[in-house]
Amino acid sequence: DAGVIQSPRHEVTEMGQEVTLRCKPISGHDYLFWYRQTMMRGLELLIYFNNNVPIDDSGMPEDRFSAKMPNASFSTLKIQPSEPRDSAVYFCASSTITEAFFGQGTRLTVV
Amino acid sequence: RKEVEQDPGPFNVPEGATVAFNCTYSNSASQSFFWYRQDCRKEPKLLMSVYSSGNEDGRFTAQLNRASQYISLLIRDSKLSDSATYLCVVNENTDKLIFGTGTRLQVFP
Repeated sequence: DAGVIQSPRHEVTEMGQEVTLRCKPISGHDYLFWYRQTMMRGLELLIYFNNNVPIDDSGMPEDRFSAKMPNASFSTLKIQPSEPRDSAVYFCASSTITEAFFGQGTRLTVV
Repeated sequence: RKEVEQDPGPFNVPEGATVAFNCTYSNSASQSFFWYRQDCRKEPKLLMSVYSSGNEDGRFTAQLNRASQYISLLIRDSKLSDSATYLCVVNENTDKLIFGTGTRLQVFP
């Protein structure tokens, strides 16, 4: 298995544009997490899914953020419209009960 | 109060030193605990799980104190390659993984 795959690795976009981040979890993992990491706030949990169902989205900053998991092998995190303060590294992770595996992250810069 | 709290550091230690990090958690119902390591501009990776009885993996020892709601990580004989950020992770009973903001360790020659 190639591990958790995220795309794109880097994204630079203009304020107001829509941004879509993608994640392919490890096959067989029941849980999928989206995190955001900044120097100021560290690693923050945005939302997580269990068996494709969103369980807790209390970490999603505001309505501009949305996440979907249409099937067990794919998830998206969308920001519309994007703002400069959304600039961060966004990680997707999938897990078993005992261990979470992270993708390499998407470094988002909103200018 | 934050769900998981860590001293951000940095901890600057010489090679060969012993260094310890603590992490406190707020949810007494938390089920399982981990330490992750994150290198600069990389993704976090599991370092070790933390068991109630404590566990050791080479130079690394992790301990859990449920009564005081903290976990610790001890690194003996520090190496330059140990320089990284160490993230405390708590798995609440809903299987939600909550990360601390990390403690940065810098080992110098």
